[in-house]
Amino acid sequence: GAVVSQHPSWVICKSGTSVKIECRSLDFQATTMFWYRQFPKQSLMLMATSNEGSKATYEQGVEKDKFLINHASLTLSTLTVTSAHPEDSSFYICSARNQAVQNIQYFGAGTRLSVL
Amino acid sequence: SQQGEEDPQALSIQEGENATMNCSYKTSINNLQWYRQNSGRGLVHLILIRSNEREKHSGRLRVTLDTSKKSSSLLITASRAADTASYFCATIQGTSGSRLTFGEGTQLTVNP
Repeated sequence: GAVVSQHPSWVICKSGTSVKIECRSLDFQATTMFWYRQFPKQSLMLMATSNEGSKATYEQGVEKDKFLINHASLTLSTLTVTSAHPEDSSFYICSARNQAVQNIQYFGAGTRLSVL
Repeated sequence: SQQGEEDPQALSIQEGENATMNCSYKTSINNLQWYRQNSGRGLVHLILIRSNEREKHSGRLRVTLDTSKKSSSLLITASRAADTASYFCATIQGTSGSRLTFGEGTQLTVNP
């Protein structure tokens, strides 16, 4: 089946530092990847849609300068949380759309970010 | 924004019993999908039902879709302790392409 790898799975950082999270589709090409944020016991909130070779599309209320997204290849998208603060602490999950399997998204295992 | 509402929010049953979760949505959809999430992990796709389908089966899973009521249900038969997880419905809305909108989820606990 389609596999999406997300790294790191857990990161702790000091306030003010930047953190990069990688999302890779291992066995398929993904022109579109998605970044979600999830608070404890809540559903997934779409942050942005990452399109290979073009700018990401951000959801309303998501700061594009705060959450930088790069999708430079068909198998890799990165999310950089810039100048992280404690309120950015959350569970971040990526997904990749496999065009060969219409409209099904395959999810990474998530990254738990804790900002001290 | 989340358009899906799921009930119950939490469900606790005994192993061997059936579990039914419901999902409602507000706008027209292309399809509806169900995902499962184990605690602290990513989501796993379970089943997709298209807007022109009314029922679909996959192993112990049965999904129904009623577009007139804008609702769907997920039935897990003969539940197992390993089925303990959160279950989310997600919809592809008419004009959103591949953008998924998730429901609030149901936390299922299957007691051995």
